[in-house]
Amino acid sequence: GESVGLHLPTLSVQEGDNSIINCAYSNSASDYFIWYKQESGKGPQFIIDIRSNMDKRQGQRVTVLLNKTVKHLSLQIAATQPGDSAVYFCASRGDTSGTYKYIFGTGTRLKVLA
Amino acid sequence: DSGVTQTPKHLITATGQRVTLRCSPRSGDLSVYWYQQSLDQGLQFLIQYYNGEERAKGNILERFSAQQFPDLHSELNLSSLELGDSALYFCASSVVRGELFFGEGSRLTVL
Repeated sequence: GESVGLHLPTLSVQEGDNSIINCAYSNSASDYFIWYKQESGKGPQFIIDIRSNMDKRQGQRVTVLLNKTVKHLSLQIAATQPGDSAVYFCASRGDTSGTYKYIFGTGTRLKVLA
Repeated sequence: DSGVTQTPKHLITATGQRVTLRCSPRSGDLSVYWYQQSLDQGLQFLIQYYNGEERAKGNILERFSAQQFPDLHSELNLSSLELGDSALYFCASSVVRGELFFGEGSRLTVL
């Protein structure tokens, strides 16, 4: 079904450490996955994406890993900085009756400790 | 700046009233999506339009409706408002196989 509204889990990470944020998706037919960052009071911003024919993709300080076997997605942030504090959402896209539908995960709040 | 424009940014109204939220997608994007985000919660998909036609519906209440106009801007109409409708409403646009680009949202407060 659609993203379920729940209180956000929080991940607290020391500045300079690596962060790993996890996400599970339910539609095994999903072909495209995106990570978004949402700062307080702002709209979600694209961070990185990955297509289902890949299992890893790297960007600047971020890496996305895709495990289709267990329907799991993770976002790794290297050398976490205070500016990384935000809520992170994963989105999976599936083709439903010829329409691409994006389903969002519940989100994880990342807190960077100085 | 994502290129997606939403107005108004903030809106305060009373229960029972009706409001219209407006979205201008990025230049060239034919798809528009509407999402609702309540406090500290995830993004609930409401509805999608593609080139003026409704393509997908999510958890959209019957009191809510939307449309996409020939110039591709979209409007989300919320009527008979209830306290629980207070939320951030986001519009996003995309090209056919690409990522969603979100606007900054319209914050609706129903008193």
